[in-house]
Formats: sequence, structure tokens, C-alpha cells
Amino acid sequence: KQEVTQIPAALSVPEGENLVLNCSFTDSAIYNLQWFRQDPGKGLTSLLLIQSSQREQTSGRLNASLDKSSGRSTLYIAASQPGDSATYLCAVVNYGQNFVFGPGTRLSVLP
Amino acid sequence: GAVVSQHPSWVICKSGTSVKIECRSLDFQATTMFWYRQFPKQSLMLMATSNEGSKATYEQGVEKDKFLINHASLTLSTLTVTSAHPEDSSFYICSAHTRERTTDTQYFGPGTRLTVL
Repeated sequence: KQEVTQIPAALSVPEGENLVLNCSFTDSAIYNLQWFRQDPGKGLTSLLLIQSSQREQTSGRLNASLDKSSGRSTLYIAASQPGDSATYLCAVVNYGQNFVFGPGTRLSVLP
Repeated sequence: GAVVSQHPSWVICKSGTSVKIECRSLDFQATTMFWYRQFPKQSLMLMATSNEGSKATYEQGVEKDKFLINHASLTLSTLTVTSAHPEDSSFYICSAHTRERTTDTQYFGPGTRLTVL
């Protein structure tokens, strides 16, 4: 059974710092991996999707990498801003097309 | 991009009543829809997989008689929480699967917050 973990569980940083969020999964047979942002009480905002054949994806200040063989992904956020404060969820998509979500990293960027 | 809607966005009901949540794919056909729930301060957990025209597949620990899922068309799936109790209070999110050219893609709805008094 696929399990997804995320480290750290919570992170508080001053504005402007670069930071890395980590995601690990137990079964490397994934279709793709996706990073989401979730604001309190809200739904999901897709940030980056990495196909299983890809190693990384970039969007603006965000960069996500994927090492399928070791079961790891990282989300790199450059020059963090207070508006980046949210919970970041890592999710792997199995070949059955269902998502398995990690517990999330709660990020707080202080002005 | 493709849009998935959910209705209602929030609902408050008394214990013992039934609540129906709709998930619609607005501009594409979804052969498969998934239902997730998220308890406070927890992550999303898959409840069931819904295929158009067939019975839903439920995850272990999810009562199929309590959470009725109907996927009557390629653009609509409904989740009915029967005889809701306070422990059913949660954030329910659906996703709709489609295949674009050779790529499988899913789009998430905005979620429905259910509060059972």
C-alpha cells in the first residue's frame, strides 16, 4: 500500500528565505507526482505536476524534483513571501489514477 | 482549463439528516470520479472511486451504505451522506479524471464543507 510522508510537518521562516519541502513515498510504481497548495478552509491549488518519466518541473519561484527510484520529491521555493504561507501537499498518483496524499507541510512566512 | 464544480460549497445540517453533494465536470466528460475527505488538520483520504454506470469502489473503512455514490452520467457524480452524525463533519472533495490525447489528467473540485450539529 502506497504511503506518503512529508518533512517537515511545519516550517516558519522569515521573508526572503529559500526553502525546501520534502516528500517520500514507499512504492516507486507511480504514474505521476503532484504538489498542491491548500489555504485554510479552502480547496486545492495545483502547483506542479511531474510525470514519472520526468525529473523536475519549474514554475516561477517553484521547482519540484522527482527521484522515483529512491521514492523522493522535493519542492524548492525561492525568495519566499508572506503570500506563500499555506499548507503544501505532496500527492502521488497510482496507475489506478487515485491520489495518495501526504500529511502536508504547514508553511508560515513571516514579514 | 477544465473546471470541476461542487455543490453546495458548504452545508450545515442536524444529526440524522441526509446530505447530497454534487460533483460536476463542466467542460469535459469524466469516466471516473474520485471522492476524498479531509478531517480538520489532517490530509485528504480517498473514500471511493466512482465509474460512470457502475457501482462505486469504496476504500477500506468507508461504509458504502452510509456514503452513497451515484455516477449516472459522464459529467455528474453525487455523494449522499445518509443519517449524518457529527463525526461525519469534514471537507469533502471530488476529482474528475479525463484522458487528454495520451495523458491522464485529473481536476479537483473546490470542496464541500459539511458540518453536522
